[in-house]
Amino acid sequence: ETGVTQTPRHLVMGMTNKKSLKCEQHLGHNAMYWYKQSAKKPLELMFVYSLEERVENNSVPSRFSPECPNSSHLFLHLHTLQPEDSALYLCASSQGASGYNEQFFGPGTRLTVL
Amino acid sequence: SQQGEEDPQALSIQEGENATMNCSYKTSINNLQWYRQNSGRGLVHLILIRSNEREKHSGRLRVTLDTSKKSSSLLITASRAADTASYFCATDGRYGNKLVFGAGTILRVKS
Repeated sequence: ETGVTQTPRHLVMGMTNKKSLKCEQHLGHNAMYWYKQSAKKPLELMFVYSLEERVENNSVPSRFSPECPNSSHLFLHLHTLQPEDSALYLCASSQGASGYNEQFFGPGTRLTVL
Repeated sequence: SQQGEEDPQALSIQEGENATMNCSYKTSINNLQWYRQNSGRGLVHLILIRSNEREKHSGRLRVTLDTSKKSSSLLITASRAADTASYFCATDGRYGNKLVFGAGTILRVKS
């Protein structure tokens, strides 16, 4: 248990569906991240939030829409996804949004797009 | 572009043996971190080594850093079946503002 929870753990959706992934951290951190992990590819950073403001957006398609209502919660809203978006989506948090600090990861949401 | 690259891509050893994984990177760094991931789960932080450190230990883990060669190694001594996982190095990138992960080494420890 790392102090970062993600729901749902598994999600199957059609290309026309709208769904949301939720992440919550109980560590008092001020930075949160979304990563995408596809088979046989390095972990891809998608979004970084620091003090509830987006500070990084790594050329992610607009069909992925993040939301950070407070420092403990992070959402990833999904709509009109493609089959190649199927992957493990990982949320992480840290104290300070930099590469200088240890990141704590949630267990991930396994997303399958049909 | 990918910053850290692990070598080998996969490693299979017997329980009790030592496992060594290597990581190379391209740009200067402030720190390098190692993470472990059990199949289909989130990553767990193992150890962080600063650019001015050469070696660091944590239990059965030993990490070395050679900034002149832009490389790091992770040694797991007296491996156990529970060490079976993927291991990733991550660096803070050119500007130190985010972690950049390598593709990982898959370690299998046979009992």
